[in-house]
Amino acid sequence: QQQVKQSPQSLIVQKGGIPIINCAYENTAFDYFPWYQQFPGKGPALLIAIRPDVSEKKEGRFTISFNKSAKQFSLHIMDSQPGDSATYFCAASITGSSNTGKLIFGQGTTLQVKP
Amino acid sequence: EAGVTQFPSHSVIEKGQTVTLRCDPISGHDNLYWYRRVMGKEIKFLLHFVKESKQDESGMPNNRFLAERTGGTYSTLKVQPAELEDSGVYFCASSPRVLYAGELFFGEGSRLTVL
Repeated sequence: QQQVKQSPQSLIVQKGGIPIINCAYENTAFDYFPWYQQFPGKGPALLIAIRPDVSEKKEGRFTISFNKSAKQFSLHIMDSQPGDSATYFCAASITGSSNTGKLIFGQGTTLQVKP
Repeated sequence: EAGVTQFPSHSVIEKGQTVTLRCDPISGHDNLYWYRRVMGKEIKFLLHFVKESKQDESGMPNNRFLAERTGGTYSTLKVQPAELEDSGVYFCASSPRVLYAGELFFGEGSRLTVL
């Protein structure tokens, strides 16, 4: 119930390609779905986030698609660049004053964008 | 503004020894979280402080782990005695308020290797 399942584990694309990373959850109480980006030797950093009242959110080349009925969400990276090579984590949380706001993370996807 | 800092960046100890990890959150952030990532798996929640109070320690693996945040500033996570399965990267994160639409700010992590 508290799990977030992420796939694929790793992904290699050519520069300009559109990598897609998928996540699925079970707990319908989750109401906040962020994606974090982590470069080697660094900590995860928030990339983009969505709430279930919208089906899509775009920030620059990064887009989250959200399917509430299927309990799935995905990250698309348009026109991917070698600098996007990193590990990407999806996460979910239950917000609101009665909750601690802890994030439940997926297993991570290591993305390599080849020049 | 300084980010979340963690010390040490890497620690190698023998099974049975004690290790203390330290986290300095961003100044003014009342909320402090500890997470752990073990060998390519998901980043798992350990516990959450609000100021000096433990709000949620449901993710602490067992009583060999002790977290403190005296005075509501920096936090320490002690593992005593360390076991092989404790190896992983321990992340600290902070936020100015309980996760709402904001983000968690992560440190670069402390890598623990137990031999």
